[in-house]
Amino acid sequence: AQSVTQLGSHVSVSEGALVLLRCNYSSSVPPYLFWYVQYPNQGLQLLLKYTSAATLVKGINGFEAEFKKSETSFHLTKPSAHMSDAAEYFCAVSGRGAYAGGTSYGKLTFGQGTILTVHP
Amino acid sequence: GAVVSQHPSWVICKSGTSVKIECRSLDFQATTMFWYRQFPKQSLMLMATSNEGSKATYEQGVEKDKFLINHASLTLSTLTVTSAHPEDSSFYICSARNRLQPRLEQYFGPGTRLTVT
Repeated sequence: AQSVTQLGSHVSVSEGALVLLRCNYSSSVPPYLFWYVQYPNQGLQLLLKYTSAATLVKGINGFEAEFKKSETSFHLTKPSAHMSDAAEYFCAVSGRGAYAGGTSYGKLTFGQGTILTVHP
Repeated sequence: GAVVSQHPSWVICKSGTSVKIECRSLDFQATTMFWYRQFPKQSLMLMATSNEGSKATYEQGVEKDKFLINHASLTLSTLTVTSAHPEDSSFYICSARNRLQPRLEQYFGPGTRLTVT
């Protein structure tokens, strides 16, 4: 079984400041980890994913995340926030068997979400 | 990237009626589609997984007779909310992927907002 915990339901930063959104996972098998962004009344867009290659993963829009097995964390960061980054962010986990075509293929378990607000 | 569409984008229906939501993969074959429900200010909860040509697999606690899922082709899955009640009001999101192309990402539709009055 897998689960994801996002610490902080709301994060507020100033434009140009560092963005840090926290995600801790629990998984009985080596996980695949994802960050998605959701704008109001829209579906989800993939920001980045960790699939066991490099532990530091770079995504779109300047975001990156680092997989730390010892800390069971996959925090999302961006050096300088932009007003357009304001949205809700979801961390998600899936088992590798699910990714490779097993019976639970593609099943994602999402965290509770973190709403990012960017102030001018 | 690949595109997944949903129709309608929003719908209002009266209590007791049924509503059908379509999910289409526009430029790839979706062997597997997922249906999620998202309540206001909450995360996405997986309702069911559907594989083309097979019966859907429902998550625990999801009534299969209330939420009918059909995945008759490689580009279309439908979710029918039968005898809708106000508590079924939610944002329904589908996603799609092709299990024969494991490197292809899971793509999400834009969602359908259902309001039951």
